[in-house]
Amino acid sequence: AQKITQTQPGMFVQEKEAVTLDCTYDTSDPSYGLFWYKQPSSGEMIFLIYQGSYDQQNATEGRYSLNFQKARKSANLVISASQLGDSAMYFCAMRVLNNAGNMLTFGGGTRLMVKP
Amino acid sequence: NAGVTQTPKFQVLKTGQSMTLQCAQDMNHNSMYWYRQDPGMGLRLIYYSASEGTTDKGEVPNGYNVSRLNKREFSLRLESAAPSQTSVYFCASREGQGRNTEAFFGQGTRLTVV
Repeated sequence: AQKITQTQPGMFVQEKEAVTLDCTYDTSDPSYGLFWYKQPSSGEMIFLIYQGSYDQQNATEGRYSLNFQKARKSANLVISASQLGDSAMYFCAMRVLNNAGNMLTFGGGTRLMVKP
Repeated sequence: NAGVTQTPKFQVLKTGQSMTLQCAQDMNHNSMYWYRQDPGMGLRLIYYSASEGTTDKGEVPNGYNVSRLNKREFSLRLESAAPSQTSVYFCASREGQGRNTEAFFGQGTRLTVV
């Protein structure tokens, strides 16, 4: 069975500094995708970045980058130059293809708090 | 462009009552999902539908049923609500065919069972 683990319940970061949010996963499927979502206090889920299991390079989207270490089964999110608006819950998710189709499972989340 | 629409946004039920949460997407997506999010926790998959006409259980299916009415709509039914089902429910959809297509989420339904 596939599993996503986020070991940091809460993180603080100083404004303008970089922060890394950890995510490890477990799957026996060689083809999978990893996603990061942001959930601000308003509650909506905002897609940030995607990494495919066969992608050779780490994904980047603006201030977001994904540190993908396939052998260690980790897909950490790096946010550069933190802003106050980055304060939110962050979720790592994994898509795997099983007999029933595409299943998308989430980790428990990390609450990021940016200090001014 | 509406994206994923969930109704209702808020609901209070008494223990034992039944209700259906509605979800519709206008992006012609194949896959649809229902999640629940308890306070301070991540999203747990209840049921999903990889394509029209198919549904499958997720991590926490007990106490719920689903119907993929057509490609656009995926409903979640609570037959006999329990206080343990108090949660925020999210519906999501994704194209489903490509590996790198993200899921789009509705705004959530906040359900309280008293």
